[in-house]
Amino acid sequence: QKEVEQDPGPLSVPEGAIVSLNCTYSNSAFQYFMWYRQYSRKGPELLMYTYSSGNKEDGRFTAQVDKSSKYISLFIRDSQPSDSATYLCAMSAGGNNRLAFGKGNQVVVIP
Amino acid sequence: GAVVSQHPSRVICKSGTSVKIECRSLDFQATTMFWYRQFPKQSLMLMATSNEGSKATYEQGVEKDKFLINHASLTLSTLTVTSAHPEDSSFYICSARDGVGASETQYFGPGTRLLVL
Repeated sequence: QKEVEQDPGPLSVPEGAIVSLNCTYSNSAFQYFMWYRQYSRKGPELLMYTYSSGNKEDGRFTAQVDKSSKYISLFIRDSQPSDSATYLCAMSAGGNNRLAFGKGNQVVVIP
Repeated sequence: GAVVSQHPSRVICKSGTSVKIECRSLDFQATTMFWYRQFPKQSLMLMATSNEGSKATYEQGVEKDKFLINHASLTLSTLTVTSAHPEDSSFYICSARDGVGASETQYFGPGTRLLVL
């Protein structure tokens, strides 16, 4: 079993729809959970960051972490064409431990 | 959020030459930086962890003599691809760790696209 599972299947949604992305993981030591957005030919940009369990909201973005189920989610409300990108989940146990990444979800928001 | 820069953004070189890529944390000090490689439509692959003032830690399968890493200051890490070959062509991305404890996270640079002819 991989440390982090993220269904890479492309996701197409109409403009204004809610985008729902999720990742599961197997390492119970993970404490830091991040979502990155990566546009083509660019480096990943930190979108949301959560320490331990809970929800976090920032504008149109909501991140949820459920450590008991080892499941994290990212929701994008009122999606815009500019949200079209690849979204990577990443997590770490902290300290000198490296980030474990999901494969990334390609999202296309259709005008 | 914190800003990480990379230079150059793109480089084309002949086979056999060496290429140096710089990674800088612009508004914070980073004792730890990371170097990744990314192939098209794939996730990031960690190559090495760079610690200021000490030797880098390389991931299994990454040749340390080919990918030289130097982290001479708290804001600069360099990756040198020595004697580059076409198979080294890739997108190289660095990241820097910022914060401690509950606020710890990683910020990525914009990436360097290397093409070896």
